[in-house]
Amino acid sequence: DGGITQSPKYLFRKEGQNVTLSCEQNLNHDAMYWYRQDPGQGLRLIYYSQIVNDFQKGDIAEGYSVSREKKESFPLTVTSAQKNPTAFYLCASHGQSGELFFGEGSRLTVL
Amino acid sequence: GENVEQHPSTLSVQEGDSAVIKCTYSDSASNYFPWYKQELGKGPQLIIDIRSNVGEKKDQRIAVTLNKTAKHFSLHITETQPEDSAVYFCAASTASKLTFGTGTRLQVTL
Repeated sequence: DGGITQSPKYLFRKEGQNVTLSCEQNLNHDAMYWYRQDPGQGLRLIYYSQIVNDFQKGDIAEGYSVSREKKESFPLTVTSAQKNPTAFYLCASHGQSGELFFGEGSRLTVL
Repeated sequence: GENVEQHPSTLSVQEGDSAVIKCTYSDSASNYFPWYKQELGKGPQLIIDIRSNVGEKKDQRIAVTLNKTAKHFSLHITETQPEDSAVYFCAASTASKLTFGTGTRLQVTL
């Protein structure tokens, strides 16, 4: 089935550790996105990539890093510089129709 | 940049009643307005969208209206059912960037 796969679904991190969230899509979409979701704040854009080997900062990029070495993959690293990383992270890709397709999300908890 | 406001933040309706969620946007260049439904612990899914050249769109029990002059758009759900209970997000798009509202938690009671 075509879609977006995020892993892991749940992740626990100790303070000071970097963690990487995986996002893979088989929809052949050029554009991919990472959003952070906190209760009552909707979805906020962290990073996005419109083409392989290129990406741009979103509204809340500080403390995060990404790479886009392959069209299918857009991993997000939550670094130790992110002071409040506990959140639900959503990866998405953008179809030609304008629709944004989301993965099932990854919930990160800092211990 | 674009700013999207969404109201109400929570909405409780009885099964069979209608539900209306309203959003306003700030950037007159926005031209695409999707609505997403998010069930607990899952990613949002598109339920309906509308483009700026259309004033209304309907899909079975769901409809969206757009008033470009006033910069607001609304989601209407008729004959609500328990499975409509979820969080609903509106969004507005300019070029490739989508800005989301803060969400409405809809509870459909029996």
